[in-house]
This record gives sequence, structure tokens and C-alpha cells, in this order.
Amino acid sequence: DAGVIQSPRHEVTEMGQEVTLRCKPISGHDYLFWYRQTMMRGLELLIYFNNNVPIDDSGMPEDRFSAKMPNASFSTLKIQPSEPRDSAVYFCASSSNTFSTDTQYFGPGTRLTVL
Amino acid sequence: KNQVEQSPQSLIILEGKNCTLQCNYTVSPFSNLRWYKQDTGRGPVSLTIMTFSENTKSNGRYTATLDADTKQSSLHITASQLSDSASYICVVSAVEEGMRFGAGTRLTVKP
Repeated sequence: DAGVIQSPRHEVTEMGQEVTLRCKPISGHDYLFWYRQTMMRGLELLIYFNNNVPIDDSGMPEDRFSAKMPNASFSTLKIQPSEPRDSAVYFCASSSNTFSTDTQYFGPGTRLTVL
Repeated sequence: KNQVEQSPQSLIILEGKNCTLQCNYTVSPFSNLRWYKQDTGRGPVSLTIMTFSENTKSNGRYTATLDADTKQSSLHITASQLSDSASYICVVSAVEEGMRFGAGTRLTVKP
């Protein structure tokens, strides 16, 4: 298996623009997670899905952020409009079974820079 | 105040030496504790996952311990290698409260 795939790997955009990050989880995994990592705040969970349904989005910073999972093999994280403080590395991860005890496999991340 | 505190913030050791990283938490009610290794520019990789009933779990040269009474965990690395240079992140999950993340320990192994 190719592991969790994220695209793009790097994104540079200007403030106010819409940004869409994409993720393909490992085939057969039921859970998908979106994380954000910055030097100041470390790693943060934004939202996670189970069987394509959003379960907990309490980590989504504000209404400018939205995430969808239209099918088991694809998810998007959208920021509209983007702001400089959104600059971070965004990770997608997936796991196969129980949220509490199963290994999460992370993708390589998307490094977002908002100018 | 962060509910998961890791120490030290950074650590430098010589290749071949052992080291221990600490994670103290106040998260409650406890569900599980995970240790991740994150190489620079890469996504985190899971090392161990421990539930309330587990005291020790090993993954090769990595051994994690958990004391749920004192709410402390440690990650012991034996016979360190240059490839162990990375950040190590402790993540504690609480029942119905979600995950809480430590700030990480940056380990540098020198030849």
C-alpha cells in the first residue's frame, strides 16, 4: 500500500485566497483525521471522520475551515479565506478500527504558507 | 495550561547511549497514551499505544512505561542510533474529551 497520500506537498498563497488540501487514506481504513502543526502550538487535531461521517470537529479553528469526506478514499480540508496565521503543516492520518487503540498512519503533510 | 507536559524540551546524547524521555499528564478520565516519533519534514510515526491496564510496551529499542496512578509515562531508548534523532511526541486521550498533545522532546544523537 502507498500509505496516506496528501496533495499538494507545498502550497504558497496570498491572504484571502481559497486553499484546498487533499487526502487519500489507506484503503480499508475507517477513520480519517486532519491535524495542524505549528512551532507555536505543536500538533493539533482539527477534525476526524468515521466511515465518511464527521465525528468531532471541535478542533476546527473557525468557520473559515471546512472538511469533507465524500467517499471512503478521499477527503478535503478547505480554508476560505486564508490568513497568514493559517500557515502551518497540515497532516492527514488514517486508522483501521477502534479510535482509541489503533495505530494512526500519517501522511507526509502539506506545508501551507499564506503571505 | 497544557494538560500534557514533556521533558526535557531537548536532549543531546552520544550514539550508543541510552536515554529516557518523560511525559506527565493531567488528562482525565484516561483512555490511552501514544508515543510518536517525528523526523524533520515528515509525518509522525506511531511507536507505542498503551491503555490503562498496560504498564510497559516495547517496540524494538523503544520501551514505553505508564504509571496511571501518578499519570506519568516514559519512553526509554536503548543503544541510540543516529537515526533516532527526531522529535518525540506524547499524546494522551481522555474518554469523550479527545486527544491532548505534548509539545515534544527534540532528541539529537551525535556520533
